Amino acid sequence: SQQGEEDPQALSIQEGENATMNCSYKTSINNLQWYRQNSGRGLVHLILIRSNEREKHSGRLRVTLDTSKKSSSLLITASRAADTASYFCATVPINTGTASKLTFGTGTRLQVTL
Amino acid sequence: GAVVSQHPSRVICKSGTSVKIECRSLDFQATTMFWYRQFPKKSLMLMATSNEGSKATYEQGVEKDKFLINHASLTLSTLTVTSAHPEDSSFYICSARDPGGPSLYGYTFGSGTRLTVV
Repeated sequence: SQQGEEDPQALSIQEGENATMNCSYKTSINNLQWYRQNSGRGLVHLILIRSNEREKHSGRLRVTLDTSKKSSSLLITASRAADTASYFCATVPINTGTASKLTFGTGTRLQVTL
Repeated sequence: GAVVSQHPSRVICKSGTSVKIECRSLDFQATTMFWYRQFPKKSLMLMATSNEGSKATYEQGVEKDKFLINHASLTLSTLTVTSAHPEDSSFYICSARDPGGPSLYGYTFGSGTRLTVV
């Protein structure tokens, strides 16, 4: 399987704490994306980091990428109960066209409690 | 922003019947759409890539005669689960890429269809 791995599989934290999720992948990539999925719903695109970038920020989100280790991390700072969801990394392989298919990681289920 | 509309959101059907799921790009043209399947608490598995005006490309292990894909226009792709069986029960999600979207390779997902075969 080409699917990436994410850890932890599940994470439970209290509101205000930071949440860190890690993603490892197997092939060379053009970019890596993070998505959020609320239970029983579709996915929402959070952030994209290109293979030549090492870190990217968007609001309370911070993403890092280490292409030598084929890994990425997503940090959510000052978490809120509304951040409760599943988070998936997804990779776009290198040298593919503009409508490249995504390969998803196994996902992390985040629970933020009050 | 780009919106992908997927219908129905839930469907229950009897074994042996066929079910059609629609995926529409509302404000952009999608020459390519993707169909995924997701089991409870699991990740998304790509089933096939739907190409406007040509045959779909199926992933290894996906039965193309069972999961019929039609991409007849630049804004509509359909997935038909034929002769459904209980093991086809799953969450099906479509996605498409808006070439003019804020992210060069950003993808927009439909809200998903929960299929239950009884």
